[in-house]
Amino acid sequence: QQQVKQSPQSLIVQKGGISIINCAYENTAFDYFPWYQQFPGKGPALLIAIRPDVSEKKEGRFTISFNKSAKQFSLHIMDSQPGDSATYFCAASRRNTPLVFGKGTRLSVIA
Amino acid sequence: NAGVTQTPKFQVLKTGQSMTLQCAQDMNHEYMSWYRQDPGMGLRLIHYSVGAGITDQGEVPNGYNVSRSTTEDFPLRLLSAAPSQTSVYFCASSYLQGSTEAFFGQGTRLTVV
Repeated sequence: QQQVKQSPQSLIVQKGGISIINCAYENTAFDYFPWYQQFPGKGPALLIAIRPDVSEKKEGRFTISFNKSAKQFSLHIMDSQPGDSATYFCAASRRNTPLVFGKGTRLSVIA
Repeated sequence: NAGVTQTPKFQVLKTGQSMTLQCAQDMNHEYMSWYRQDPGMGLRLIHYSVGAGITDQGEVPNGYNVSRSTTEDFPLRLLSAAPSQTSVYFCASSYLQGSTEAFFGQGTRLTVV
């Protein structure tokens, strides 16, 4: 049973455009929803995270939107740049349980 | 402050060989974990540890063994390598299990022939 479903698998966006990646989760006990960014040959690194007490969190060009009733959250990358080209993973967890990851989205930003 | 260090970065094994992937962290984190990354499969949890002397199985533990004798180190042992274990392996650590930032190593790319 896949606890966190991520879409799309791959995404191509024009430079300056908006990249949107979506995730849905099953377990309503989850209380921590991070996004990780991974460049080729590197380990994933935390990009931004949200907890369910807020519906949106913004850090620079990156925004998480969170819909608790729909059990969905999404990552928006505004003004996408070629340097944003990477694989993005959503994840979910709660205290004292391991992080559960989505299958990842490969983003390519083309000039 | 090196963070999470994994060795080796690359390894080729023959079927049936055994080996240990090393992972060390210098952040005094209690929680450490091992993931494998395969194309289209995301990051799947192999084993994890909530502290020295305590380990538990994740989603895909078969064929792997772990121990945690110190806070800093969390080695992953492949008992008898199989081609299905060809993957990229990541070690991660965090202050607590769940609900906090996980720090990942650079990964070990393992090929079993």
